[in-house]
Amino acid sequence: GENVEQHPSTLSVQEGDSAVIKCTYSDSASNYFPWYKQELGKRPQLIIDIRSNVGEKKDQRIAVTLNKTAKHFSLHITETQPEDSAVYFCAARTPSNTGKLIFGQGTTLQVKP
Amino acid sequence: EAGVVQSPRYKIIEKKQPVAFWCNPISGHNTLYWYRQNLGQGPELLIRYENEEAVDDSQLPKDRFSAERLKGVDSTLKIQPAELGDSAVYLCASSLLPPTSEQYFGPGTRLTVT
Repeated sequence: GENVEQHPSTLSVQEGDSAVIKCTYSDSASNYFPWYKQELGKRPQLIIDIRSNVGEKKDQRIAVTLNKTAKHFSLHITETQPEDSAVYFCAARTPSNTGKLIFGQGTTLQVKP
Repeated sequence: EAGVVQSPRYKIIEKKQPVAFWCNPISGHNTLYWYRQNLGQGPELLIRYENEEAVDDSQLPKDRFSAERLKGVDSTLKIQPAELGDSAVYLCASSLLPPTSEQYFGPGTRLTVT
């Protein structure tokens, strides 16, 4: 079955710097890759997603890139702000498991003012 | 638009006791998911419903866990009897059909089994 590895587990950056979180997946048939942000004690919130027919997607300060050949995708946050501090989860979904998301282990991002 | 609603938000019980969680999905979302999130980890799917039918319950520990979605809207997840290892956050999520649509999560129920 699908397996998703996420790195790093923790990331600390200075306010204004960029942050990059990387995920690799095992099933080459995976075709949907969402990213969720989870603040302490709150629900995971979808912040951006990408489908396998696209290589890059951007939404203001966040962007996601997908390399299907290497089977990895990354979240890029530019001009980080203290409110970006949270745990970020990547996930992958294969057509054979329609609807089932396999999540990475999470990255705790700390943005220091 | 109201999001996914879950209750209770917190529950503390002793081991061997039963417990139930309730979820109300986003209006119009036919697909409902129950996930378990252990501390410091990503959510793991327990069961997925399309309308009132459970279409993927392969990860549900059926000896003690049960779920239902009788009218294809609200859902309950039950554990009986609870074990210490069941302590986790239980998240409900919903999406439109087909289930390849984006999933939206509820706030979760934090269960502590003592």
